[in-house]
Amino acid sequence: GEDVEQSLFLSVREGDSSVINCTYTDSSSTYLYWYKQEPGAGLQLLTYIFSNMDMKQDQRLTVLLNKKDKHLSLRIADTQTGDSAIYFCAEFYGANNLFFGTGTRLTVIP
Amino acid sequence: NAGVTQTPKFRVLKTGQSMTLLCAQDMNHEYMYWYRQDPGMGLRLIHYSVGEGTTAKGEVPDGYNVSRLKKQNFLLGLESAAPSQTSVYFCATRTSFYNEQFFGPGTRLTVL
Repeated sequence: GEDVEQSLFLSVREGDSSVINCTYTDSSSTYLYWYKQEPGAGLQLLTYIFSNMDMKQDQRLTVLLNKKDKHLSLRIADTQTGDSAIYFCAEFYGANNLFFGTGTRLTVIP
Repeated sequence: NAGVTQTPKFRVLKTGQSMTLLCAQDMNHEYMYWYRQDPGMGLRLIHYSVGEGTTAKGEVPDGYNVSRLKKQNFLLGLESAAPSQTSVYFCATRTSFYNEQFFGPGTRLTVL
């Protein structure tokens, strides 16, 4: 079955860059996603990358994809306290579904 | 537009009781999903539906049933609740054109 791995916790100081990592197993995944979950809320899509891309930049967010190593990362530049949340990577598999990682809880220290 | 709504927001059940969680969407999306979220395990797919009148099993379907009688509603039922079903339940929807899923705010269920 699918397996998407993330480290559970990350702490950074306000203003530093955060890098959240993810490894996945299905090399046929067409899309890979990053979702953000704030306390007490549902998940919101942050960004996604198509599998034929190596990098995607969206304002403070940079997604890097290494297909050979099946490694996905999300870099948040100039991390702010409002970025404190749980971040999930997800891969699209089969015809219909997303498979989510365990989530990384990002804590931003003022 | 309300987007994706879930009722109730919180519920406490005793072992063996039954209940139904309702997911409603006003986005006219074809696909609807029920997930459960447990600490350290991410989201796991329970059941999903690709259109009105259809349902399919996800990763962890045991102990749950679903129905999609109307396109805008997706119901998740627990016939005989167990403590292992204590979790936060999320509903999500998407169109058939794009893969982005839109999530509801969640239902926190505790089974004593």
